[in-house]
Amino acid sequence: EAGVAQSPRYKIIEKRQSVAFWCNPISGHATLYWYQQILGQGPKLLIQFQNNGVVDDSQLPKDRFSAERLKGVDSTLKIQPAKLEDSAVYLCASSLEHGAYEQYFGPGTRLTVT
Amino acid sequence: QQQVKQSPQSLIVQKGGISIINCAYENTAFDYFPWYQQFPGKGPALLIAIRPDVSEKKEGRFTISFNKSAKQFSLHIMDSQPGDSATYFCAAYPGGGNKLTFGTGTQLKVEL
Repeated sequence: EAGVAQSPRYKIIEKRQSVAFWCNPISGHATLYWYQQILGQGPKLLIQFQNNGVVDDSQLPKDRFSAERLKGVDSTLKIQPAKLEDSAVYLCASSLEHGAYEQYFGPGTRLTVT
Repeated sequence: QQQVKQSPQSLIVQKGGISIINCAYENTAFDYFPWYQQFPGKGPALLIAIRPDVSEKKEGRFTISFNKSAKQFSLHIMDSQPGDSATYFCAAYPGGGNKLTFGTGTQLKVEL
């Protein structure tokens, strides 16, 4: 079974530029999550989708971050404009359904904002 | 507000020794407590998990001990191996929800 795929794996941008990350969850998984993992910290949930609807985006900085999951499969996370403090690893995860305990994580995208 | 506190931040253990990582939580609504293992450049992977109605769960060399009254749980890695060198995160789920709250992580190094 293929795991969660993410691209790109690494991205370096200057502050005030925009960037987008892509995630393809495990086939058949209805729930998709985006996490931000700052160096030395645990992952923090940014947004959770159930199919193509948002379940929780309470910790998403909506003035600069946006995410979508068209057709309930792939998802993109965008930052515009980026700030220095956005430097982190952005992890995508999926689970079979809302309420399922086990989440499967992708390898992440390491973003460096200079 | 940090809901799951994890210690120590880093840990060095000799090969064959026991690694112990501790976590404490505040929210009594949590009802599922997983541990994740993360290698450099990889995403976290579920290692072992426990429900609060059980005081201990063992899978191979990995054991979770759970103290509901103290709101604490710990991961024990027996016969630690260099391949166990990774960052370990405890986490907690509230009942009926998907909002996984992670601890701050413990960087484990197992030396030969």
